[in-house]
Amino acid sequence: GEDVEQSLFLSVREGDSSVINCTYTDSSSTYLYWYKQEPGAGLQLLTYIFSNMDMKQDQRLTVLLNKKDKHLSLRIADTQTGDSAIYFCAESPSMDTGRRALTFGSGTRLQVQP
Amino acid sequence: DAGITQSPRYKITETGRQVTLMCHQTWSHSYMFWYRQDLGHGLRLIYYSAAADITDKGEVPDGYVVSRSKTENFPLTLESATRSQTSVYFCASSEGLSGAGYTFGSGTRLTVV
Repeated sequence: GEDVEQSLFLSVREGDSSVINCTYTDSSSTYLYWYKQEPGAGLQLLTYIFSNMDMKQDQRLTVLLNKKDKHLSLRIADTQTGDSAIYFCAESPSMDTGRRALTFGSGTRLQVQP
Repeated sequence: DAGITQSPRYKITETGRQVTLMCHQTWSHSYMFWYRQDLGHGLRLIYYSAAADITDKGEVPDGYVVSRSKTENFPLTLESATRSQTSVYFCASSEGLSGAGYTFGSGTRLTVV
């Protein structure tokens, strides 16, 4: 997904907070998503945020959305070794641009060190 | 089993051969999608379908064919496999275009030799 960009790798220590960042280009996207992919598995929806929100919190997960800068972030509090995975951000389809499916970033590999 | 299943899980094929990857969902979701996952590219959309007998191209459709004669099945065929089609292929389904997002299958790892 060239329209959605993420850094490729993040390493944190267990118990620290992780922040995964994403930039997108389509300001008409209604929803923005975070998916998690564990080794050898498909993508699992973690959380999503509606475009008229600035923040969404769900237990250890906090999503921040800056529409002006087209920047999305996922903060994982008290990161655990089980959080080690690849995290994808995605933007929803847009009738304005003719996109009919989710557009994904290239994924950020999160490594949690004990 | 309820959910979305892909088969086979792993496949090795030779260049030039035709191969079909299967996808089956049990929710009667209207939309189904095929993505390929490659290092550095994330997931790229190959084809999608809005309903039975309605399909459309995605970002990287060349060399692939899809069909959707039944709502629950969405097979992906590589007509003449090439090494560049070595990838992990994911099928997904959803009730609508956005909202709660998609549900993904476990993927098919295809190697073309």
